[in-house]
Amino acid sequence: QVQLVQSGSELKKPGASVKVSCKASGYTFTSYAINWVRQAPGQGLEWMGWINTNTGNPTYGPGFTGRFVFSLDTSVSTAYLQISSLKAEDTAIYYCARERGSSSELDYWGQGTLVTVSS
Amino acid sequence: DIQMTQSPSSLSASVGDRVTITCRASQSISSYLNWYQQKPGKAPKLLIYDASSLQSGVPSRFSGSGSGTDFTLTISGLQPEDFATYYCQHSHTTPWTFGHGTKVEIK
Repeated sequence: QVQLVQSGSELKKPGASVKVSCKASGYTFTSYAINWVRQAPGQGLEWMGWINTNTGNPTYGPGFTGRFVFSLDTSVSTAYLQISSLKAEDTAIYYCARERGSSSELDYWGQGTLVTVSS
Repeated sequence: DIQMTQSPSSLSASVGDRVTITCRASQSISSYLNWYQQKPGKAPKLLIYDASSLQSGVPSRFSGSGSGTDFTLTISGLQPEDFATYYCQHSHTTPWTFGHGTKVEIK
């Protein structure tokens, strides 16, 4: 069965970096793009962007350029989100999700990774 | 960027009620509209894609309609497990955007 399993919660200090992983199983990893979605505490969903798992080409949403990097290791069917120069406002749950179909719907989601930025 | 306006932001309903949530796009998005359900502490779950296609395994009491700029999610016969927050999302052109969500609470 299709699964996306994300790495565990992180507590980081302002200015540090964090790398969140999203390991896929149950399907051909390079056949579906991976999207990243952020959810700040008590807030709604915010689309961060996506990465083409076939070419490795990332597309970043507004507000997610510069400090945010999407990457892949196709040998282990894993997508990564790295955030550098962390700020308190980066505190959120970060989800990866598989993109499917002509309507680019997000049909499978990881369980989410809580990143807390605090001094 | 295309903005998605969802209404209402919250509603109270009873088990068995028919519930309607609307989502309006700031410009035409054809049928590139998806609906998700999120329960507290859980990841979102895809309910409806292409505006009206029911995701596999989702109960048939959920339905979606609309095209262009105006869309609707209907729950026909609300069940206890349906109390959650619902989000629309367009996928017409990047950046995709989500509506702000509709919290469905128990009356």
